Amino acid sequence: DQQVKQNSPSLSVQEGRISILNCDYTNSMFDYFLWYKKYPAEGPTFLISISSIKDKNEDGRFTVFLNKSAKHLSLHIVPSQPGDSAVYFCAARHLYMRFGAGTRLTVKP
Amino acid sequence: DGGITQSPKYLFRKEGQNVTLSCEQNLNHDAMYWYRQDPGQGLRLIYYSQIVNDFQKGDIAEGYSVSREKKESFPLTVTSAQKNPTAFYLCASSISWTGFVNTEAFFGQGTRLTVV
Repeated sequence: DQQVKQNSPSLSVQEGRISILNCDYTNSMFDYFLWYKKYPAEGPTFLISISSIKDKNEDGRFTVFLNKSAKHLSLHIVPSQPGDSAVYFCAARHLYMRFGAGTRLTVKP
Repeated sequence: DGGITQSPKYLFRKEGQNVTLSCEQNLNHDAMYWYRQDPGQGLRLIYYSQIVNDFQKGDIAEGYSVSREKKESFPLTVTSAQKNPTAFYLCASSISWTGFVNTEAFFGQGTRLTVV
């Protein structure tokens, strides 16, 4: 029962352009959403979060958008840099965190 | 230098054997979690603990056991009852059970378990 879905397993963008990573969820009880970044052979590290009562949160080059009516979450990275290349996990909380399958972002120089 | 440490990084187990994965944190966090990652799937919760001497089953607890005798430690035992134990295991901690709100969880580096 995948309550958090990342339908794009991979995304490739040019350096300097915008990266948009998408996430859909099914559980209306989720009250908090997070994005994590993961490099190979390492644990995920926290990137940015948003409460369900908000629709946007910005932190430097990273912005998360929440559309509750569509049960959709997105992460925008502007401008994208080669160091952003990693796997990005969307996570949602109801009692505990549930994670999507991840999207592998590749930023080409 | 605070953090969360998992050991070993790689672990091989023969079929039918139990094996224990270590997770230690010195962040003074109350809550700890074990997740499993398989290719093409998200992180799935095995067990979580809100406080010392308490733990709860997650989505995929069958074939696993945990203990939480100390605040700093949350070891995971993969028993012979776990049918597909080969996976990447991640331990995490957060300030409190509600610590995921407004604060992030910190993850260890992970343990890759392979059944041979």
